[in-house]
Amino acid sequence: DAGVIQSPRHEVTEMGQEVTLRCKPISGHNSLFWYRQTMMRGLELLIYFNNNVPIDDSGMPEDRFSAKMPNASFSTLKIQPSEPRDSAVYFCASTITGSAYEQYFGPGTRLTVT
Amino acid sequence: KQEVTQIPAALSVPEGENLVLNCSFTDSAIYNLQWFRQDPGKGLTSLLLIQSSQREQTSGRLNASLDKSSGRSTLYIAASQPGDSATYLCAVGDSGTYKYIFGTGTRLKVLA
Repeated sequence: DAGVIQSPRHEVTEMGQEVTLRCKPISGHNSLFWYRQTMMRGLELLIYFNNNVPIDDSGMPEDRFSAKMPNASFSTLKIQPSEPRDSAVYFCASTITGSAYEQYFGPGTRLTVT
Repeated sequence: KQEVTQIPAALSVPEGENLVLNCSFTDSAIYNLQWFRQDPGKGLTSLLLIQSSQREQTSGRLNASLDKSSGRSTLYIAASQPGDSATYLCAVGDSGTYKYIFGTGTRLKVLA
């Protein structure tokens, strides 16, 4: 299996622009998580989906952030408009609920907003 | 609210030493606990997962233990090597929500 796939790996954009991050979970996994990692705050859970349905988005920092999972093999995290404080590494992880629930992480997207 | 703490924040040891990394959590109602390794600029690699009904898990030179009642887990690394240098993170899975709460990590450096 290819593992969790994220794109792009690096994104540099100007303040005010829309940013879309993409994630393809491991085939057969039915839960997907979006995390953000910064030096100041560590790894934070933003939102997670179970069977394509958003279960908990309490970690989404504000309305500028939105996430979708239109099918079992694809999810997006969108920031509109982006701000410099959104600069971070964004990780996607997937797992199978009802099992040992081991999480598998993608390589991350390093976002820089100037 | 679950809080996860890792001590020490950083550790530097000579090659060959056995070492222990600590993870503590405030709410014992957990589903599982997972230890990860993160190399600089990279993603997280799962090392060991302990389910709430288990006391320990082993993989090669790594051994992780779990004491739910005291809210503690330890990761034991035997005969450390320079290649073990990385940040080690523990994550606690909440039994009600299945959300994972991460500790801030222990940055390990093994000197040759």
